[in-house]
Parts: sequence; structure tokens; C-alpha cells
Amino acid sequence: GENVEQHPSTLSVQEGDSAVIKCTYSDSASNYFPWYKQELGKRPQLIIDIRSNVGEKKDQRIAVTLNKTAKHFSLHITETQPEDSAVYFCAAKSGNTPLVFGKGTRLSVIA
Amino acid sequence: DTAVSQTPKYLVTQMGNDKSIKCEQNLGHDTMYWYKQDSKKFLKIMFSYNNKELIINETVPNRFSPKSPDKAHLNLHINSLELGDSAVYFCASSQYHGGHNEQFFGPGTRLTVL
Repeated sequence: GENVEQHPSTLSVQEGDSAVIKCTYSDSASNYFPWYKQELGKRPQLIIDIRSNVGEKKDQRIAVTLNKTAKHFSLHITETQPEDSAVYFCAAKSGNTPLVFGKGTRLSVIA
Repeated sequence: DTAVSQTPKYLVTQMGNDKSIKCEQNLGHDTMYWYKQDSKKFLKIMFSYNNKELIINETVPNRFSPKSPDKAHLNLHINSLELGDSAVYFCASSQYHGGHNEQFFGPGTRLTVL
């Protein structure tokens, strides 16, 4: 089955700096890669996703890149703000298989 | 206008007891899920139902029994609770089972087994 590795497990950045979170996956059939943000005590919420026919996707300050050959994808957050502090999860799936999550990255943005 | 709701939000109980968590979605989605999030924040799928039928059972002990009376509801019953069952349980739903579908999560139920 699919295995998703996520790094780093914790990340601290100064407000205004960029943050990058990296994930690798094992199943070459995976074709959908969402990213979820979970604020403290709250539910996970989708912030951006990318499909395997696209190499990069941007939405304001967040972007995701996908390298299918290397089987890795990354989340980039620019101009970080204190409200970006949360746990971020990458995930991967293909077809009818379940969504498999990485172990999460706790991002702290220091004002 | 809550999309995915769960009750109760907190559940504290003794080892050996039986408890249930309820989940409802008003999004008209076909597929519902149960996830377990342990103390290290690892999110792992337990079950997936599509139109009231079990699709995925990820080697969960048979003390856990999901029930879907209709496609808007997916309840989770847990027998003979153990200390290791302490976690946050999230219900989620998506429009379809396969393909590229956003999953909408409920607020979570924090279960503490004493």
C-alpha cells in the first residue's frame, strides 16, 4: 500500500519568511495530493491540492509542487503570518484507495 | 449550517465500557469516513462507507463497529474500551468514493479511556 513520509516534523520560522514542507510517496499510481491544515483543537481543512497531471499550483501565498519521477511533493508558504501556525498534513491517493496522510508538520510562525 | 457534525465532542469513560459516537453530514455526499488521530497527531483511516456500504476497513479491531443507517449518517460503536483507544476520532465525508475529492472533516470527538 501507499506510504507517505513528511519532513520536517516541526518547523519554526520568523514572520514574513517562507516555509517549505516536503513529502515523498511510494505508490507510483498515486495521482491526487492534497494538503490539510489543522489548527490547535480544530478539524483538518483542505488548503490546496494537486493532481498528477500538473507540476505546480498556486493560491495566493501557498503553492504546491509535484515531481512525479522522484515521487515527491512540497508545500511552500510565502510571507508567513502568525495565523499560519498549525499542523500541516500532506496526503496521497489513487483511484479507490484510501487517502494516506503523512505524519504532519507543526509550523510555528514567530512574530 | 454545519456541514459535518459529530456528537459528543468529549467522551470520558472507564475501561471495559461500550460507547458510541454519532456523525451526520448535510452536504449530500455519498462517502463517509472515520479517522483516528492519536496523541502524536497521526491521522489514520479506520473505515470508509459509500452509500451505506462498507468499502474500507483498515484492520481495525472488531470491537469497533461502524453503522450507516443512511448515507448522511455514519456512527461508530466501540465495545470493551481499552486505554489505547484514547484518541480524537474524526468523521469526514466526500462527494464520491474514488477519484479526487475533498474530504470535509467533522469537529472531532476526544475520547479518553480511564
